[in-house]
Amino acid sequence: SQQGEEDPQALSIQEGENATMNCSYKTSINNLQWYRQNSGRGLVHLILIRSNEREKHSGRLRVTLDTSKKSSSLLITASRAADTASYFCAPLNYNTDKLIFGTGTRLQVFP
Amino acid sequence: DGGITQSPKYLFRKEGQNVTLSCEQNLNHDAMYWYRQDPGQGLRLIYYSQIVNDFQKGDIAEGYSVSREKKESFPLTVTSAQKNPTAFYLCASRTRGQPLNTEAFFGQGTRLTVV
Repeated sequence: SQQGEEDPQALSIQEGENATMNCSYKTSINNLQWYRQNSGRGLVHLILIRSNEREKHSGRLRVTLDTSKKSSSLLITASRAADTASYFCAPLNYNTDKLIFGTGTRLQVFP
Repeated sequence: DGGITQSPKYLFRKEGQNVTLSCEQNLNHDAMYWYRQDPGQGLRLIYYSQIVNDFQKGDIAEGYSVSREKKESFPLTVTSAQKNPTAFYLCASRTRGQPLNTEAFFGQGTRLTVV
């Protein structure tokens, strides 16, 4: 399956702490994307990492990709209460164009 | 103001009725997607389209139908054959074939309730 599976399912931390979420997948990919969803809203794209990249940064976000292990991680540093949301990964293969999401990680950041 | 628009935001349907959810984008994207999300769950792919006049079934296509007559539009019909249609429906679009632009843009969703 091309679907990504996020781990853990839920994560609760205090403001200022770092949050790490993991994603595993089973097929070959061209890129892997991370998205965020606030409750009752659409998903918003956060960051994309290509299969030939190992690490990428965007503000407080750091994404890693290990294609040999078929896994990726999303690190949010110095978390804020506003980071409270669900986070999803989506591995993408250009041949199928099938964008499939897992069940996500629900992050709760307490003030 | 470019983007992807879903309408209506809330929709109520009586059992046995078909209902059509609208999804329109002015981003000139080739690929469009429909997802279903149940409370506390992830997104499940219903149908997707890579190009006008073509579409493929996703993982849960039974009870749903789509059309792609125009690049900008990808309406989803929830038919009476869908046994449990109450859910949050999300539409997305993205560019194909250009490695620099493969992120998806999502609409704000339609919450369908069967009464």
